[in-house]
Amino acid sequence: DAGITQSPRHKVTETGTPVTLRCHQTENHRYMYWYRQDPGHGLRLIHYSYGVKDTDKGEVSDGYSVSRSKTEDFLLTLESATSSQTSVYFCAISNLGGANTEAFFGQGTRLTVV
Amino acid sequence: AQTVTQSQPEMSVQEAETVTLSCTYDTSENNYYLFWYKQPPSRQMILVIRQEAYKQQNATENRFSVNFQKAAKSFSLKISDSQLGDTAMYFCAFMLYNNNDMRFGAGTRLTVKP
Repeated sequence: DAGITQSPRHKVTETGTPVTLRCHQTENHRYMYWYRQDPGHGLRLIHYSYGVKDTDKGEVSDGYSVSRSKTEDFLLTLESATSSQTSVYFCAISNLGGANTEAFFGQGTRLTVV
Repeated sequence: AQTVTQSQPEMSVQEAETVTLSCTYDTSENNYYLFWYKQPPSRQMILVIRQEAYKQQNATENRFSVNFQKAAKSFSLKISDSQLGDTAMYFCAFMLYNNNDMRFGAGTRLTVKP
């Protein structure tokens, strides 16, 4: 398995509180992603990073911010959690190009906002 | 932005039979990758098969094969000799070659019946 760890694995938080999810990789891959998975929507890209301090918005970025201060860590922050952000969050990593390009995924974080 | 469409939310197949899952995508780019990922109840994301857009030959991995029609922007997955362990969610995914921006479809839930 690719060395990618998400923490925490489960979290319950109250509406209006800030929440930070962490993704840590040991593969030295350039690209890191945050997705959310909801029934009927598949995986939707929140933000992704193409290098240290280089990030870009995905299709559902409102209400989320990210930071990548070093290659191995990619943090996702919900500034003020809302019930609509209850979801399963996946981190993924990939490297640049080549015949064996693929994305490797963490185990997911189930976040419940009450 | 690229979009991926899976029009079959649910499918079922008898054990040992063949099933085809559909996927279409939209992009103005010429160089990209296409993937099928499997997500069993464990929630783990597992790569099933990968196709590079510049390759005309359809990818094959044991019982899994694709029908890649670049002009039609279609990328279907055929599972032959279906097994009970193939029961899972299947996601079609698109990745740009130059920046690894990766998007997913909404998924197809496949049930293999004994």
